[in-house]
Amino acid sequence: GNSVTQMEGPVTLSEEAFLTINCTYTATGYPSLFWYVQYPGEGLQLLLKATKADDKGSNKGFEATYRKETTSFHLEKGSVQVSDSAVYFCALSLNTNAGKSTFGDGTTLTVKP
Amino acid sequence: DAGVTQSPTHLIKTRGQHVTLRCSPISGHKSVSWYQQVLGQGPQFIFQYYEKEERGRGNFPDRFSARQFPNYSSELNVNALLLGDSALYLCASSLNRGGGYEQYFGPGTRLTVT
Repeated sequence: GNSVTQMEGPVTLSEEAFLTINCTYTATGYPSLFWYVQYPGEGLQLLLKATKADDKGSNKGFEATYRKETTSFHLEKGSVQVSDSAVYFCALSLNTNAGKSTFGDGTTLTVKP
Repeated sequence: DAGVTQSPTHLIKTRGQHVTLRCSPISGHKSVSWYQQVLGQGPQFIFQYYEKEERGRGNFPDRFSARQFPNYSSELNVNALLLGDSALYLCASSLNRGGGYEQYFGPGTRLTVT
């Protein structure tokens, strides 16, 4: 089956620090990969996506590269802000069905001023 | 444009009762999926409906059912509620089923079973 494994949290950083959240996956087919962000009391918002190997998704200073050889999609940001504090979810969906996503358990990020 | 909307926002039910959750997708989106998110975990896939037909079902008991209406809105029904059904229920819509289409999530319905 399909699965997503995220680095365990929580992660606490100081403002302007470098962020990496690791994500690896297993999939029975050829997946698209996503990072979602969830703020307290809210639903999930798509942060970025990549649909094929070596694609780089980017948004709001966050980046992630689809690495097929290592089955990874690590999230990075060069300088985090307090407003980045949230829960981050890595997810995949097979290219045959966008409506069925498999999620990791999430990584809670807290950024301190 | 309006995003995905869900109702109600919060709900408190007693064990053994029945609940109906509602979702309206983004205009033009034909695919609606339902997810259960237990506190501290990632969302778990329950159902997908596309063009009013069930296209996928996750590992949930038959107490869970859903349907999609001609206007593409959807209902999730849960019978004989258990304490373990307490969770945030998320609805997501996407334009199509094919590869690379991202899902847009609603704010969720917080269900508490006492």
